[in-house]
Amino acid sequence: NAGVTQTPKFQVLKTGQSMTLQCAQDMNHEYMSWYRQDPGMGLRLIHYSVGAGITDQGEVPNGYNVSRSTTEDFPLRLLSAAPSQTSVYFCASSPWTGESEAFFGQGTRLTVV
Amino acid sequence: AQSVTQLDSQVPVFEEAPVELRCNYSSSVSVYLFWYVQYPNQGLQLLLKYLSGSTLVKGINGFEAEFNKSQTSFHLRKPSVHISDTAEYFCAVSRMDSSYKLIFGSGTRLLVRP
Repeated sequence: NAGVTQTPKFQVLKTGQSMTLQCAQDMNHEYMSWYRQDPGMGLRLIHYSVGAGITDQGEVPNGYNVSRSTTEDFPLRLLSAAPSQTSVYFCASSPWTGESEAFFGQGTRLTVV
Repeated sequence: AQSVTQLDSQVPVFEEAPVELRCNYSSSVSVYLFWYVQYPNQGLQLLLKYLSGSTLVKGINGFEAEFNKSQTSFHLRKPSVHISDTAEYFCAVSRMDSSYKLIFGSGTRLLVRP
């Protein structure tokens, strides 16, 4: 079982470059989300989606864009990378209930120089 | 809005000793409560969750947590830790009335020493 798959695992970007972090899940979950993890700050919600074609902003959406064209995929786009976006990014998916377990990918470690 | 406070950023403990990781939350509505664990260089996985009913919840790897509504706490405990329990532990909440959105605390790094 693949679960939640994130690519790439590591990435180095120059300031101003753009890139897309990929996230795919094979559990037919409606809800998908992106978090960033920074030391001492836990995980902060960037964007989330409650189904194909529906996305919304989380706590820290600035500088990021998302779309959800299929149930399986939820890519995160960095439009113009900044050093402040250096972080570890996690994608998660869960069924459409708040009591359900969230399943996380292995993370993408992004460094912006 | 909901918020989660984990009072200890790091907890060092010797192997086979008991441990308690503290979590307090704030919310104007009822919430579900979760503990997730993150082993080095991995994603998060669910340890346990409180939805309703008995306030003492048992999870994987011998961990348990107690929900205290009056103190708005959900502390995680283990009576005897192993080296393999070294990891980062996150407390999280989600609203009962809507949501699917998980709000996380800042995490507690458990460091088990031989």
